[in-house]
Amino acid sequence: DAKTTQPPSMDCAEGRAANLPCNHSTISGNEYVYWYRQIHSQGPQYIIHGLKNNETNEMASLIITEDRKSSTLILPHATLRDTAVYYCIVRAGLGTGTASKLTFGTGTRLQVTL
Amino acid sequence: DGGITQSPKYLFRKEGQNVTLSCEQNLNHDAMYWYRQDPGQGLRLIYYSQIVNDFQKGDIAEGYSVSREKKESFPLTVTSAQKNPTAFYLCASSSGRASGELFFGEGSRLTVL
Repeated sequence: DAKTTQPPSMDCAEGRAANLPCNHSTISGNEYVYWYRQIHSQGPQYIIHGLKNNETNEMASLIITEDRKSSTLILPHATLRDTAVYYCIVRAGLGTGTASKLTFGTGTRLQVTL
Repeated sequence: DGGITQSPKYLFRKEGQNVTLSCEQNLNHDAMYWYRQDPGQGLRLIYYSQIVNDFQKGDIAEGYSVSREKKESFPLTVTSAQKNPTAFYLCASSSGRASGELFFGEGSRLTVL
């Protein structure tokens, strides 16, 4: 699976958009980009994933560059409850019945402030 | 509601004792996983199971054992052979689809005294 690079920490003012970058320059054509977040002392929570196209759900938007070498997770209106560690992960879609072995790095610690 | 239940949430044990952490899911997922997290670090995969009666070692399996006798259950035993067992342990499951995301439990924090 491709390696990812994220900044160790970021700050964002409450109500503003939080844009979390991720570099995955060695990504392969069949690898998905996943985003999870982990609030302190809890299990990670799935946010969103994508392959080529930009994706949006009720939590966030995922923007993947045309060459797929980087992506940005956007939280459109950050709140204090969005303070967490955000993990960007890439993994190949290996077909049905295959375990989703995801490798979690150290992520980006997002601090949302008043 | 569907989800993953880990127990106990906190556990204290003396050095040299084996400890079993419970993980149960009612999501009807085929695949289950155990991860370990140390302070300030990411998650490291201990063991995973794609189907009942089958499991594979992850990146840090030494000193751990698992079983998968039922689809909904994937207990983890931390044996006395694990040199540094104090950590936060997370169980997860997935549907096994190609793009299937992981669903995590709330974790078990093990402290060995």
